Amino acid sequence: NAGVMQNPRHLVRRRGQEARLRCSPMKGHSHVYWYRQLPEEGLKFMVYLQKENIIDESGMPKERFSAEFPKEGPSILRIQQVVRGDSAAYFCASSELQGYGYTFGSGTRLTVV
Amino acid sequence: ELKVEQNPLFLSMQEGKNYTIYCNYSTTSDRLYWYRQDPGKSLESLFVLLSNGAVKQEGRLMASLDTKARLSTLHITAAVHDLSATYFCAVDMGSSGDKLTFGTGTRLAVRP
Repeated sequence: NAGVMQNPRHLVRRRGQEARLRCSPMKGHSHVYWYRQLPEEGLKFMVYLQKENIIDESGMPKERFSAEFPKEGPSILRIQQVVRGDSAAYFCASSELQGYGYTFGSGTRLTVV
Repeated sequence: ELKVEQNPLFLSMQEGKNYTIYCNYSTTSDRLYWYRQDPGKSLESLFVLLSNGAVKQEGRLMASLDTKARLSTLHITAAVHDLSATYFCAVDMGSSGDKLTFGTGTRLAVRP
């Protein structure tokens, strides 16, 4: 079992470009969660998805950010028109049961220049 | 809104010494997690505490949970350099929740 796979590991974008972060959950896990970690801080919840559904997006900024978890393929976190403040590590976690037994991926470190 | 506070934020300790990290949270919760994070790495799950009075131990680390006091502790016994990392506690609301609320983290540095 390869665990939670995130790619890319590092992503550099210029201000105004789009960033696409991908997360493949562990085999058998249908719950996906995205978290953001700013330097020297804890992780902050962004969004919780199940296949084809957004269950809770209360932590996601209303503008420029979107997430999906299609029937086939990885979950995608998309950030449009990136700004310097978007620079952070973005972690994906998956679980087999809702809200229990989270496994985290290695994260994508986004740098906006 | 659930708030989770850890202290200390930074801990420098000598090898062989004991210390405790504290995690306070503001509202009732069903589950409390402890994670370890090495610089530039992901989170490694250490413990899941499910009920009042729960105590779990792994090697030199022991975690406990007091749900009435809304307090969890992570005790380090006879620290070694390999334990140097940032430790996070995280709380979720259990069956009515779907996300973890993390503490700010405790950066532990173990000196020879």
